[in-house]
Amino acid sequence: EVQLLESGGRLIKPGGSLTLSCAASGFAFGHYAMSWVRQVPGKGLEWVSGISGTSGFTYYADSVKGRFTVSRDNSQNTLFLQMDSLRVEDTAIYYCVKDVGGIAVEYFQHWGQGTLVTVSS
Amino acid sequence: QSVLTQSPSASGTPGQTVTISCSGSRSNIGSNFVYWYQQLPGTAPKLLIYRNDQRPSGVPDRISGSKSGTSASLAISGLQSDDEADYYCATWDDTLSSLVFGGGTKVTVL
Repeated sequence: EVQLLESGGRLIKPGGSLTLSCAASGFAFGHYAMSWVRQVPGKGLEWVSGISGTSGFTYYADSVKGRFTVSRDNSQNTLFLQMDSLRVEDTAIYYCVKDVGGIAVEYFQHWGQGTLVTVSS
Repeated sequence: QSVLTQSPSASGTPGQTVTISCSGSRSNIGSNFVYWYQQLPGTAPKLLIYRNDQRPSGVPDRISGSKSGTSASLAISGLQSDDEADYYCATWDDTLSSLVFGGGTKVTVL
């Protein structure tokens, strides 16, 4: 059974940095692209960033480009999202999602339960 | 403002058919596959339709997807109370080089 468990979300001040982690199990982690999708509570979904299975390709939404960095450790079956220069508008639930393929961002059949990041002074 | 446009809400009585539309442009829906996700209250989204009209195993055949030009639709027939949820379309946008979601449609079963 595929399991994705996010951690690292917390209250943080604007301008601060935070790293989210996603521990994956139940599948050959290194064979699949992974992404982060966020959702402001009560609002819609926003794709944030993706990374290919071998880390050769990374993808970012314009809203986070230059501030967020996605990475993965295939030996530890873990996905990361380093978030710098955080803004109030980055407040959201962040979901870790597993893609169907290994390279491109396509679609997500497995989602974690999410971790809440609150950016506030 | 979402790149993909969905009506904010839709409703129907049990047994009816509800259709949700998703409008985009040549750089997104017009050039790429469309996906649909269902989000029940308080839960993570679930994949309903992939590659325009394909259902993952476990999704009933009363759920169907279609695409024509720069628009896509999701139809839910035989509406049931547990279909009450938010529904999102998604696709890749070649101009933005990113995955984009529609703003979501809240389906209410009257």
